[in-house]
Amino acid sequence: AQSVTQLGSHVSVSEGALVLLRCNYSSSVPPYLFWYVQYPNQGLQLLLKYTTGATLVKGINGFEAEFKKSETSFHLTKPSAHMSDAAEYFCAVSDGGGADGLTFGKGTHLIIQP
Amino acid sequence: DAGITQSPRHKVTETGTPVTLRCHQTENHRYMYWYRQDPGHGLRLIHYSYGVKDTDKGEVSDGYSVSRSKTEDFLLTLESATSSQTSVYFCAISSGQEKLFFGSGTQLSVL
Repeated sequence: AQSVTQLGSHVSVSEGALVLLRCNYSSSVPPYLFWYVQYPNQGLQLLLKYTTGATLVKGINGFEAEFKKSETSFHLTKPSAHMSDAAEYFCAVSDGGGADGLTFGKGTHLIIQP
Repeated sequence: DAGITQSPRHKVTETGTPVTLRCHQTENHRYMYWYRQDPGHGLRLIHYSYGVKDTDKGEVSDGYSVSRSKTEDFLLTLESATSSQTSVYFCAISSGQEKLFFGSGTQLSVL
């Protein structure tokens, strides 16, 4: 069985500061890893994903994440936060089988302070 | 945006009544999913489908049933709604390449 742990249900940063959202996973097979973002009253949008290959993955809106197998982590970062980044962020894992969906973390609410 | 439509967008119902939520896609994707989102729990998989008439249970399937008679439609039914099923329900679709596309959600309130 696979699982995802997101450290911190709420993260607050100042506008222009570094954003770091933490995600650790467990999986019995090489994982596929994802970050999704949810703006208020909307569905989830894919930010980025790691399947194979380069461990540093770049996504939309200036976000990136690095797959670290030794640490079973897939932390999301952005060098400089914008007010528009305020949203709920979800890390998710798949065992690569495709059919049975993704397992999501509980989410991290990112708050941007002016 | 992927062509996914959920209906209704909002529903208020009473305990014990049956409720059906509909997910319609125009992408001809093979896989479809129903998730529920609750504060402190993230998204949890209820049921999924890997083809017409082929469905399977997810993590929180008790009290829910699904049907997929056509590629484009995936129905979620609460046979007898309970207050614990008050939630936001999301449909998602996938071509099998792992990436899921999500609908806009259905807010269900069971009084």
